[in-house]
Formats: sequence, C-alpha cells, structure tokens
Amino acid sequence: QQQVKQSPQSLIVQKGGISIINCAYENTAFDYFPWYQQFPGKGPALLIAIRPDVSEKKEGRFTISFNKSAKQFSLHIMDSQPGDSATYFCAASGVTGAGSYQLTFGKGTKLSVIP
Amino acid sequence: DTAVSQTPKYLVTQMGNDKSIKCEQNLGHDTMYWYKQDSKKFLKIMFSYNNKELIINETVPNRFSPKSPDKAHLNLHINSLELGDSAVYFCASSQDRILAEFTGELFFGEGSRLTVL
Repeated sequence: QQQVKQSPQSLIVQKGGISIINCAYENTAFDYFPWYQQFPGKGPALLIAIRPDVSEKKEGRFTISFNKSAKQFSLHIMDSQPGDSATYFCAASGVTGAGSYQLTFGKGTKLSVIP
Repeated sequence: DTAVSQTPKYLVTQMGNDKSIKCEQNLGHDTMYWYKQDSKKFLKIMFSYNNKELIINETVPNRFSPKSPDKAHLNLHINSLELGDSAVYFCASSQDRILAEFTGELFFGEGSRLTVL
C-alpha cells in the first residue's frame, strides 16, 4: 500500500523555467510534509517542509503548496537552474496504520534542468 | 565533521555470504534508521531504532538484523545474501520521533552500495 503518491516520475525543464512536482497522500494522520533532494551518489537531504495548518511555504526559489482538503501538496521550483538537477522525494510523517510514527516517502521525481 | 557516516561505501560480494554495514552519527540523536533504495530510487524503511524500541518493517526478511552497540551506532547485518539484496542502503538519524517536536527531518549518510553476484 503506497501511502504517498508522487508524480511525475521524471521531469525535464528548461533553465529559467518552473518545475512542479505533485504528491498525494491517504493517511489523514500525517502531520508533516517534507521534501528531500538527492544528488547522485549522495544521501537525501531536507529541502523544505510544511505543516498542514498553512497552505504555502516559500524558501528562496522553492515553494510548497498544500491543499489539506484534497490531501495533496506540491513543490514548485522557480527559475530552475542546472544545479537543481536531482531526484526529489516528497514525504509525510505521522502515525502509520501499524501504529508507529515514521516518515513515508514518495517514489521520487528525477528532475533534469537543461541549459 | 560528517554527521552520519557509513562504511563501506561500496560492497561487492557473492550470494550466500554474510556482510555488515556500519553506521555512526555524531548529532546526538536518539533514533536511527536503515533505508533501502532500489534501482528505481524507491526509498523504503527497513528499521527504526532508539534505545527503547525497535520497529521492524514487516516486509524485511529476517536475514536482515540491526545491531546497536550504543546510541551513536546502528549497524546492519545481512545473512545469506541474495541477488535481490543488491541496492543502496542508507543509514539516517533524527531526534526522538515520539517527541511532539518531531519534524520529519532525517539526516542521511551517503549510502552503501551493495552488489550481490
């Protein structure tokens, strides 16, 4: 059972364009929604995160939009740069169906920003 | 100073062998994890562990076992390796996940790529 669904699987964006990655979740007990960025050969690293009491959070060129009623959230990368080329994972944390508190990842989106 | 370090970075071994991957964190965190990342980049939790509780993902074969000599270390031991075990294994840590302040921020190591021949 996949609790966090992420799309698209891959994304190619022109330099300067907007990259948009979408995620949907099922478990209403999730209460924190981070995005992780992973470069080749490295571990994932936290990029930006949001709690469900706000609808948007912006940090530099990165923005999370959150729609609690639709159980969806998205990452927008403005003015995308070649250095943003990486795999992006959405995630959700909270109590799972098994009763434990853990972070559940989406399947990842490989972003390629071309010059 | 590397926050979460794991060794070895690469491991090539034959089917049937037993191997271990070591992990150390210097962040003072209470909880450590092992994740498996397959060839499609899917990150799947295997274990989470603090000094009070071990949570095992029910899909993890019992050939895999975490061993924690102390709060700063969580090693992964794998018995009777199979071809399907080939993946990148990530160690991670966080502050105590049962705290109300748990933010979901995990600090990952750089991964250990295991290849089973």
